[in-house]
Amino acid sequence: AQKVTQAQTEISVVEKEDVTLDCVYETRDTTYYLFWYKQPPSGELVFLIRRNSFDEQNEISGRYSWNFQKSTSSFNFTITASQVVDSAVYFCALRAGSGNTGKLIFGQGTTLQVKP
Amino acid sequence: KAGVTQTPRYLIKTRGQQVTLSCSPISGHRSVSWYQQTPGQGLQFLFEYFSETQRNKGNFPGRFSGRQFSNSRSEMNVSTLELGDSALYLCASSLGGDSFQPQHFGDGTRLSIL
Repeated sequence: AQKVTQAQTEISVVEKEDVTLDCVYETRDTTYYLFWYKQPPSGELVFLIRRNSFDEQNEISGRYSWNFQKSTSSFNFTITASQVVDSAVYFCALRAGSGNTGKLIFGQGTTLQVKP
Repeated sequence: KAGVTQTPRYLIKTRGQQVTLSCSPISGHRSVSWYQQTPGQGLQFLFEYFSETQRNKGNFPGRFSGRQFSNSRSEMNVSTLELGDSALYLCASSLGGDSFQPQHFGDGTRLSIL
C-alpha cells in the first residue's frame, strides 16, 4: 500500500522562527517520486519541489530546505526565518508504481500559521 | 506562460442534477489529472487523461467521468449529484512523458450541492 502521513495538522509560529514540516511515506516500489506543494487560501496548489528515490541529496532554495532520508522514509521540509506570507497549507505527495504516472497520493496537509 | 485554467470557479447545484467542469492545461502539457478535495477525505485522485485516453483511475463511482480532447483540454462530469459531492475539484497538468514531471494545478472549481 502507498501512503503519506503528515502527523502535524496545524503549526503556529511567530515570524522569523524556523519551522519543520514532517512527511513520512510508505511504498514498496523501489522507484518513486516525492513532492511538496503549498496551498494558499486561493486554493491553487503551488509546486515547490520534487525528489526521486535515487537522489537523497538535500536541497536548499532560499529560505526553504528539504531533507530526504530513505532510511526513515521521510521527506521533511524546513522554512528558515518564516514570514507571514508562508502561511498556507502544505502537502507532501507521493507518486509510485509504473502505472501511476498521473496519480499523486497526498498527505492530509499541515496548516502553517505565521504570526507577525 | 499561462497556467492551468479551470472554469467555472464556483458552481451551485441541487441533488440529482449533473455538472460539467472544464480544464485547460498549460500549453504543451498532454497529461491532465483531476482531484477532489474535501475537509474529511483530503485530496483524492479521480482520474488521469493522456492523449485523449484515460490512463489511470481512482476509486470513485461511475457517476464521475471525464474526457480529453485533441487539444489536451479536459472535462469532468458528475451525474446524479449527491450532497457528498460538494468539494473543491482540482485539475492538474504535466508534460506527461514520465513520472518525474511535476503536476501544475489550477485554482479549482468549488462545487456546492444543495
